[in-house]
Amino acid sequence: DTGVSQDPRHKITKRGQNVTFRCDPISEHNRLYWYRQTLGQGPEFLTYFQNEAQLEKSRLLSDRFSAERPKGSFSTLEIQRTEQGDSAMYLCASSPGGQNNQPQHFGDGTRLSIL
Amino acid sequence: RKEVEQDPGPFNVPEGATVAFNCTYSNSASQSFFWYRQDCRKEPKLLMSVYSSGNEDGRFTAQLNRASQYISLLIRDSKLSDSATYLCVVNRTTSGTYKYIFGTGTRLKVLA
Repeated sequence: DTGVSQDPRHKITKRGQNVTFRCDPISEHNRLYWYRQTLGQGPEFLTYFQNEAQLEKSRLLSDRFSAERPKGSFSTLEIQRTEQGDSAMYLCASSPGGQNNQPQHFGDGTRLSIL
Repeated sequence: RKEVEQDPGPFNVPEGATVAFNCTYSNSASQSFFWYRQDCRKEPKLLMSVYSSGNEDGRFTAQLNRASQYISLLIRDSKLSDSATYLCVVNRTTSGTYKYIFGTGTRLKVLA
């Protein structure tokens, strides 16, 4: 399967714990995006990488959130000291570099539940 | 006001009906446009890109009106399996970054 893959699919944790999610984009895609989605809403942009460079971060991304893409391939999203409001689906997407008219392709997402 | 706006619905239509969704965007620098389909508790999947001249893919037709800043999706002969949320997505370039902005989605329920 050469699509975007995310791990884990589900994560249940207690408030205050740290969690880390992983995303493996489509191999030839330079751009990688993280989104958060809650029920009844569209995906909300969190952050964006072009290769290993993090080019933009949303105001939604508080200092408890950090993302990395150290070698320009897979990426991790870490949430420290989780809060109940962090419960959501976390989606990763990738798109090719170059032309800006290419669509994104999404992974299955990681569903986070904070107890 | 949100940058990309959609009627959340739900649109309840009988099988075989034709249904149309509109989406408006506020940033005139928007460059690329897409419709995604999202099933309940699943990831968004690309339905179709939207081209300036309009484009069709089977029962689905997408149109773009840059002057009025809206895109539309028409579904003909709707099937039960078309029931899903349809997300309008706009792509724009700002200072060398490529950003995708999503609408909240329009829910469609096709009824037997």
